[in-house]
Amino acid sequence: DAMVIQNPRYQVTQFGKPVTLSCSQTLNHNVMYWYQQKSSQAPKLLFHYYDKDFNNEADTPDNFQSRRPNTSFCFLDIRSPGLGDAAMYLCATSRGRGSNLFSYEQYFGPGTRLTVT
Amino acid sequence: KNQVEQSPQSLIILEGKNCTLQCNYTVSPFSNLRWYKQDTGRGPVSLTIMTFSENTKSNGRYTATLDADTKQSSLHITASQLSDSASYICVVSARDSNYQLIWGAGTKLIIKP
Repeated sequence: DAMVIQNPRYQVTQFGKPVTLSCSQTLNHNVMYWYQQKSSQAPKLLFHYYDKDFNNEADTPDNFQSRRPNTSFCFLDIRSPGLGDAAMYLCATSRGRGSNLFSYEQYFGPGTRLTVT
Repeated sequence: KNQVEQSPQSLIILEGKNCTLQCNYTVSPFSNLRWYKQDTGRGPVSLTIMTFSENTKSNGRYTATLDADTKQSSLHITASQLSDSASYICVVSARDSNYQLIWGAGTKLIIKP
């Protein structure tokens, strides 16, 4: 009964080689989030989609992009991965309405562990 | 500055024992407080979410308390099991223009047989 699915679970890419991580959900939530989590640190929000509206965090590098072709799917594109981008990438979903969407509970996927060689 | 601090940083207890994890926050204005459990290499799983008016909330062997006056929360785990070994993260939602989430650094709990 997986609700938030991330593929692949493990991804190895070469320095500078573009990589795409995918997330899908069966909850029909209108908000989807991408987080980056490095070892022993709290997750860091990269961006979120509120329906089709893309919202970038101010300190998210331009190297990170995202696409949401429909309600169920969301992709994270890393255009030129550096060694510092090696991390766990978490996708989350929630309901949300108006300005208080972050007050709703978020449901996380299992994450994709990205290694950059 | 909005901050969430958790203690202890790590904790080792024997299986079957109880434990309590602490969370202090300076987030204002307050919207809600969540406790997540994160197994190694997995995504966080929500245990509880508490609003201003809730003092205690239980989820099986997990009981969270919230004191909005002192801005403190605790997570009590009863009769610990080996599967409780994980990081427990306290997250506070701020009722500001962005309703941002402020994450604590987590408490790493290890249950030994």
